[in-house]
Amino acid sequence: KNEVEQSPQNLTAQEGEFITINCSYSVGISALHWLQQHPGGGIVSLFMLSSGKKKHGRLIATINIQEKHSSLHITASHPRDSAVYICAVRGAGTYKYIFGTGTRLKVLA
Amino acid sequence: NAGVTQTPKFRVLKTGQSMTLLCAQDMNHEYMYWYRQDPGMGLRLIHYSVGEGTTAKGEVPDGYNVSRLKKQNFLLGLESAAPSQTSVYFCASREQVGGEQFFGPGTRLTVL
Repeated sequence: KNEVEQSPQNLTAQEGEFITINCSYSVGISALHWLQQHPGGGIVSLFMLSSGKKKHGRLIATINIQEKHSSLHITASHPRDSAVYICAVRGAGTYKYIFGTGTRLKVLA
Repeated sequence: NAGVTQTPKFRVLKTGQSMTLLCAQDMNHEYMYWYRQDPGMGLRLIHYSVGEGTTAKGEVPDGYNVSRLKKQNFLLGLESAAPSQTSVYFCASREQVGGEQFFGPGTRLTVL
């Protein structure tokens, strides 16, 4: 079992839909990151969380430390949101990150 | 600021050849990382550095060597390339305390 699990692996949505991507982890962490990778490869950091909730535009990220779970929400989805979304955790007391395998999102116009 | 840059962007090697991938960052970050990304798998850590002159092994270090002679540069070497090293390689850097990772654009390496 991977230490960082994401669900779903693939997601197709219609433009305007509310989208949720989930991340569960099994290790103690100092921070959790949500990353976005567009076709063609570049990886961009969306959020870094250690507690609570963050919002940036149409994106919202939440984390529940006790339940070892985080969610990434996209409101009013748009075709330009089509990408792979990756959850990564930095282990407590370490410099290293563990990555989920990603959720491939496709938003149809 | 250029952020994190990687050279080259693409490379094709024959089995047994050697090469060096260069990662450079202009953000004065202490920590630097090399990852590989393979289909169906998450990014996996090859080696990392917590400061100039230091390196440490990650999850999949075999077949790779690294050096961090200058704070802004982190080099990844393949001494004798193998087809199993065909992958996309990403470099990343971050500040010493907290901080998000900044990724380079990646290097697509094919070993024939």
